[in-house]
Formats: sequence, C-alpha cells, structure tokens
Amino acid sequence: EVQLVQSGAEVKKPGESLKISCKVSGYSFTTYSIGWVRQMPGKGLEWMGIIDPGDSDTRYSPSFQGQVTISADKSVSTAYVQWSSLKASDTAMYYCARHVYGSSSNWFDSWGQGTLVTVSS
Amino acid sequence: SYVLTQPPSVSVAPGKTARITCGGNNIGSNSVHWYQQKPGQAPVLVIYYGTDRPSGIPERFSGSNSGNTATLTISRVEAGDEADYYCQVWDTTSASYVFGTGTKVTVL
Repeated sequence: EVQLVQSGAEVKKPGESLKISCKVSGYSFTTYSIGWVRQMPGKGLEWMGIIDPGDSDTRYSPSFQGQVTISADKSVSTAYVQWSSLKASDTAMYYCARHVYGSSSNWFDSWGQGTLVTVSS
Repeated sequence: SYVLTQPPSVSVAPGKTARITCGGNNIGSNSVHWYQQKPGQAPVLVIYYGTDRPSGIPERFSGSNSGNTATLTISRVEAGDEADYYCQVWDTTSASYVFGTGTKVTVL
C-alpha cells in the first residue's frame, strides 16, 4: 500500500526556520517525484514544487521560488520542504503528494495527510 | 500563466446529478484531473486523464472535456459526496501544475 506520512503540526514564530517531512512507503522512493502543495486557511490548492528523489532535480512554482527549499533523502525515503525565515503568511496546511508522469500530462495520485504550520508571534 | 475557473459552489439534492465545471482557454486540448477534498482531509484523486477513475472511486464519478470547459459529473449524489472539488492540468508551457479555484458541493 502506498503511504505518504507527514510530520506533525508546527507552531513557530516569525523569523524562525522550519523543515517538515514526508516519508513514503509501499513503493520505490526514486520511481516517482514528490510534489508539495500549500493550502492556506479556507483557500484552495497551490502547487509549490516537485523533486525527483532519484537525482534531486527540483522545479519550483514561480510563486515559491526562493521562498522555500525542497529536498529529498533517498536513504530514508523522505522528502522535505524547509523555510529559513518564516512569515505569518506561511501559516497553512502543507501536503506532499506522489507525482505521476503520464504520456501527455501529470497528476498526483496519492497524498500525505498534511502538516499544519502556524506562524504567530 | 494558465488559469482554471470553477464556480464557488454547487448545490444538489440526494439522488440527483451534480455537474462541476472547470473553465480554461482551450482546456479541451489538455488532460484534466479532478480531486475531492472532504472537510479536514487531504485531497483524493477521483478522475485522471479526464475520464479515468482510480481504483476504489465509484462509477458515479465521470468526466468530460471539450472546448473551453471540462466537467466533473457526479451521478446519484450521496451525502458522502459533500466536499470541495478541484480540477487540475499540467501546463506544459511552464512545466507546472495548475489547480482550479475549487467548487464546494453541498448536498441538500
């Protein structure tokens, strides 16, 4: 069974750093890319970026380029997203999801349970 | 950037048919994928490649796509179908995911 298990909720202050994780199981970690999606309170889904765990090739949405860093560790089948200096506007639920490469399109076929990040002074 | 527009809400009586639209410039030339998100839960893929259903998704869920509009149709709506629904395409121009604005389906 494919599973993506994310780290627990975080409460941070503005300016602090943070790294959240997404551990996968049930398939070979390097076979599929992992994407990250933000959902701000009461809002829709926003794609942040994806990483190919095989070679750590990473692509970011222009909206998130320079704001976060996506990484992966093959040895523990885990993907990460990190912030160096959080802002209150980073308060959101963050989801990881398995990226499927189709012949003419791509989609997310399995999702993590989400990690709630709250940034408040 | 490519924009996908959905109606904010759709209301439907149990047993009836709900149709959720997703508008985009010449979206008919793209493959559209649909996700269901119930309150407090992660999204779940319900339709991929416009018409295909993942294992475990009821046949009541179907999709179509033509011109500037893609549609997710839920037949014989049940109370458990109450959720937010998002369409999604892969924008080959920018090599990025694009999500629709989302539609809240309310079962009356």
